[in-house]
Amino acid sequence: GESVGLHLPTLSVQEGDNSIINCAYSNSASDYFIWYKQESGKGPQFIIDIRSNMDKRQGQRVTVLLNKTVKHLSLQIAATQPGDSAVYFCAEIWPVFSGNTPLVFGKGTRLSVIA
Amino acid sequence: DTGVSQNPRHKITKRGQNVTFRCDPISEHNRLYWYRQTLGQGPEFLTYFQNEAQLEKSRLLSDRFSAERPKGSFSTLEIQRTEQGDSAMYLCASSRVNSGDHEQYFGPGTRLTVT
Repeated sequence: GESVGLHLPTLSVQEGDNSIINCAYSNSASDYFIWYKQESGKGPQFIIDIRSNMDKRQGQRVTVLLNKTVKHLSLQIAATQPGDSAVYFCAEIWPVFSGNTPLVFGKGTRLSVIA
Repeated sequence: DTGVSQNPRHKITKRGQNVTFRCDPISEHNRLYWYRQTLGQGPEFLTYFQNEAQLEKSRLLSDRFSAERPKGSFSTLEIQRTEQGDSAMYLCASSRVNSGDHEQYFGPGTRLTVT
């Protein structure tokens, strides 16, 4: 079946460096994607989202890139800080006309920031 | 704190016992979702409500699981005759009904351990 997945299960970066977390999705009809951050013992926290009619969206220190040709999503974190250490999930919403449908999550990538 | 709250945070039970979890969504959020998350995996959708109506249930939601949202505010998730395979984090999320707003706000989760 179609699913959302991630290329790398773990990623270690030096504090201050940029981080790139990747995600592959297989449902070409998905029209909305979200990145969530989950710290230990907490629920997922919204980071940034992007619609399928966009290629790039920027937030504060984060950028999401969407490449529909190869069905690839990435999250870039600039100047990574120790507080960025967490598991990051991409999630997709399959195309429906109304919002707030259930999210389909990938497995997650653990980001470890080395001070 | 006006976020999504869940109780209890942790529950240890013996196989065969019934358990009930509670979720209090953000005030005025129409939609409420239940997800299950096992170690190293992304959250998996179980069911969701719009106001008091249960609109969708995943095939993951066996007959032993039941969810209610009687007054369109808080929700309960009950698991009857628990099995060891039910051990997981149970996450609740809420959102507003808005075609342009897909963000779901997650609670801290209830961690269930079935011995």
